[in-house]
Amino acid sequence: DVKVTQSSRYLVKRTGEKVFLECVQDMDHENMFWYRQDPGLGLRLIYFSYDVKMKEKGDIPEGYSVSREKKERFSLILESASTNQTSMYLCASIRGQNQPQHFGDGTRLSIL
Amino acid sequence: RKEVEQDPGPFNVPEGATVAFNCTYSNSASQSFFWYRQDCRKEPKLLMSVYSSGNEDGRFTAQLNRASQYISLLIRDSKLSDSATYLCVVRGQAGTALIFGKGTTLSVSS
Repeated sequence: DVKVTQSSRYLVKRTGEKVFLECVQDMDHENMFWYRQDPGLGLRLIYFSYDVKMKEKGDIPEGYSVSREKKERFSLILESASTNQTSMYLCASIRGQNQPQHFGDGTRLSIL
Repeated sequence: RKEVEQDPGPFNVPEGATVAFNCTYSNSASQSFFWYRQDCRKEPKLLMSVYSSGNEDGRFTAQLNRASQYISLLIRDSKLSDSATYLCVVRGQAGTALIFGKGTTLSVSS
């Protein structure tokens, strides 16, 4: 069974802090994604990656960056956290282009 | 027009009812279609893929109409455990990320 692991279920940080959200998958998937989910807005794609050291902007990349140094790990970075980045963050991965995504448990991030 | 549109609901139905959710998508080049289920405060999980010929998995039936750019999910004999948000999901041309609808909320009561 596919396992996508996010480093924290709940996280509280302060405005201006640099925040790292980690995601690891154990199925050798090429493709990894970061979403945020907010009430009334649904899931929105922040960044995705099709290979190591490769990244593509999603729909809402502003205020975020990512790192994919190893195939199994995809990190989301909030360069200087702001209160409007309080959200549920979901990581996902897939093997092939037409396969469904498998999600991690999510990280509820609060920026105070 | 939003890329993937769903009726947000909520749909409130009694146990045993049949309920249908609809979804439309704007990109005629879309290649792959899925229904995901998301429980409160949990991550989305794949419910079923949707194929052009239609497909069934137990009490769940998914249909795709490419000409109308329309996807449906039918749930028969609803159970209390079916209460969740159902997300319609579309992939564009091969290689692009999934696009999620905002979800339709179902509440099944006894």
